[in-house]
Amino acid sequence: DAKTTQPTSMDCAEGRAANLPCNHSTISGNEYVYWYRQIHSQGPQYIIHGLKNNETNEMASLIITEDRKSSTLILPHATLRDTAVYYCIVRGTSGSRLTFGEGTQLTVNP
Amino acid sequence: GAVVSQHPSWVICKSGTSVKIECRSLDFQATTMFWYRQFPKQSLMLMATSNEGSKATYEQGVEKDKFLINHASLTLSTLTVTSAHPEDSSFYICSADQGSGEAFFGQGTRLTVV
Repeated sequence: DAKTTQPTSMDCAEGRAANLPCNHSTISGNEYVYWYRQIHSQGPQYIIHGLKNNETNEMASLIITEDRKSSTLILPHATLRDTAVYYCIVRGTSGSRLTFGEGTQLTVNP
Repeated sequence: GAVVSQHPSWVICKSGTSVKIECRSLDFQATTMFWYRQFPKQSLMLMATSNEGSKATYEQGVEKDKFLINHASLTLSTLTVTSAHPEDSSFYICSADQGSGEAFFGQGTRLTVV
């Protein structure tokens, strides 16, 4: 599985957009970019995933660069409940393993 | 999203006893389930991949005789921690693939061995 690099921590003001970067320079052509988040003492929550096109759902938007070596997760209007550790994961086909890195601790401040 | 349920949410057991943790996919069938362990202030570490009807595949360093995994049906996988010791105290989490590319996680089981 390709390795990902994320900042250790980020802060964001409530109501503002949170932009979480991820580098995955060794991603291969058939690997997807997944984002999960984990709120303290809970199981990870699926956010979004994509292959090469930008994706949007009710939770977030995923912007993948044209060379696919990096991506950005965007929470358009962060709330206090979005405070969590966000994991960027590169994964092959469905059913293949999800390998977690250290993630980014996002803290949304009032 | 799809629902994956773990039971129990927390358990305290005596050293030397065994503990079984259940992972169920409530509204979909999961050919593959995964078991993770998470220590405080650390990331999730994959322990094993559980495939319905076949033996689990364990990650390097994970003792298969200590962490018994059974995936007898498309909606249930179990993890049994045998002869538990205090160092096995951890947060155990399962996940299941819906088949559309998304893996959903259970709420986790906090195991404390005393």
